[in-house]
Amino acid sequence: KQEVTQIPAALSVPEGENLVLNCSFTDSAIYNLQWFRQDPGKGLTSLLLIQSSQREQTSGRLNASLDKSSGRSTLYIAASQPGDSATYLCAVARNNAGNMLTFGGGTRLMVKP
Amino acid sequence: DGGITQSPKYLFRKEGQNVTLSCEQNLNHDAMYWYRQDPGQGLRLIYYSQIVNDFQKGDIAEGYSVSREKKESFPLTVTSAQKNPTAFYLCASSTDRGSGNTIYFGEGSWLTVV
Repeated sequence: KQEVTQIPAALSVPEGENLVLNCSFTDSAIYNLQWFRQDPGKGLTSLLLIQSSQREQTSGRLNASLDKSSGRSTLYIAASQPGDSATYLCAVARNNAGNMLTFGGGTRLMVKP
Repeated sequence: DGGITQSPKYLFRKEGQNVTLSCEQNLNHDAMYWYRQDPGQGLRLIYYSQIVNDFQKGDIAEGYSVSREKKESFPLTVTSAQKNPTAFYLCASSTDRGSGNTIYFGEGSWLTVV
């Protein structure tokens, strides 16, 4: 059974810092890996999607990497801003199941002005 | 605007009562999903449907039921058999089973047992 773990569970940084969020998964047979943002009491917004054949994806100040063989992904946020404060979730799509996702528990990020 | 609408935002259930959460999408997506989120935790899949009139159990389907009579709608019923229903419920949709399609989420519904 696929298990997804995110470390740390919570992170507090001063504005302007570069930071890395970590995600690990136990079964390397995945379709893709996605990073989501969730604001308190809200739904999820997809940030980046990395196909199983890709190594990384970039969008603005965000960069996500994927190492399938080691079962790891990182989300790098450059020059963090208070507006980045949210919970970040990673999820892996199960092999042959399209967008059926197994989620990690999330990292709650607070960026202080 | 295109998107996913969940209602109600807040719902209270008495012991032994069935309640239904609504999910409507106007994105013309084939696949729809229901997830449950407990405080401080990730999401767990309850049910999913890849086409009208067909749906499959996810990881935690016990105590829940769904229907998919229309492409746009995927209501979730939380039955009295679900012993711990208090949670945040999220509906989602995507275009198809392909590996590169983004999944879109609704704003969620809070269910509390009173």
